[in-house]
Amino acid sequence: DGGITQSPKYLFRKEGQNVTLSCEQNLNHDAMYWYRQDPGQGLRLIYYSQIVNDFQKGDIAEGYSVSREKKESFPLTVTSAQKNPTAFYLCASSRTGGDLDGYTFGSGTRLTVV
Amino acid sequence: GEDVEQSLFLSVREGDSSVINCTYTDSSSTYLYWYKQEPGAGLQLLTYIFSNMDMKQDQRLTVLLNKKDKHLSLRIADTQTGDSAIYFCAEGRANFNKFYFGSGTKLNVKP
Repeated sequence: DGGITQSPKYLFRKEGQNVTLSCEQNLNHDAMYWYRQDPGQGLRLIYYSQIVNDFQKGDIAEGYSVSREKKESFPLTVTSAQKNPTAFYLCASSRTGGDLDGYTFGSGTRLTVV
Repeated sequence: GEDVEQSLFLSVREGDSSVINCTYTDSSSTYLYWYKQEPGAGLQLLTYIFSNMDMKQDQRLTVLLNKKDKHLSLRIADTQTGDSAIYFCAEGRANFNKFYFGSGTKLNVKP
C-alpha cells in the first residue's frame, strides 16, 4: 500500500543537539512538506519542496534545515539554533501543487527536549 | 494560518448534529478541504468541495460553502463518540504551491 512514513514516532533531544526526523513516501508525489503543531495551535509550515533538489522556506524555517536528494525522502533536521523545538512534527506530500487529492499526511513525530 | 480562521472548541452530545465553521480570505481559492486529526496521529482527508459548488454531501457529512462571505462549514449528522477529534479546514489557492490550514476545532462528543 502506498503511504507516507515518519520515524521515529517519539524523539528526545538534549539541549544543544541536532536531530533529524525522517519522512519517506512511496506515492510518487512530487511535493513534500513539513509542519509543526503546538498544543492549541494550528499547523505552521516549516519547509516545503516541489521537486528534487529544490525547497523553500515556510513561515517558521529558522532553526530548521531540510534536504531533498530523492523524490521519496524529505528529512528535517532540528538544529540547536531552534530554541523551542518541543512539538509534534507532521510531514505531508502531494502531487505537484496539491490538486484535488489534497495532502497525504504521515502519522507524526513527537519531539521533546530533555 | 492567519488567513483561515476556526473556533477552537465545540462540545456536543452523542446523536446531535455538529457544525464546525471556517472563514477564509482568499477569493481565488479553488478547493476547500476538511481534515480530521485523532489524538497523536496525522491528518486524514475527510472531504473537499470545489469553489464553484455550494454544497456537498457524503454520508453523515455535509459541507456548505458561501463563497460571497468566504465561509465554509462542516456538518456531522448523528455525531458519535468516535467523531471526537480536531477538525481542520484548508484552502488550496489558485497557484497551489501550498495549502493554508485553519487552527483546528477540537470536537468533544459527550455520551
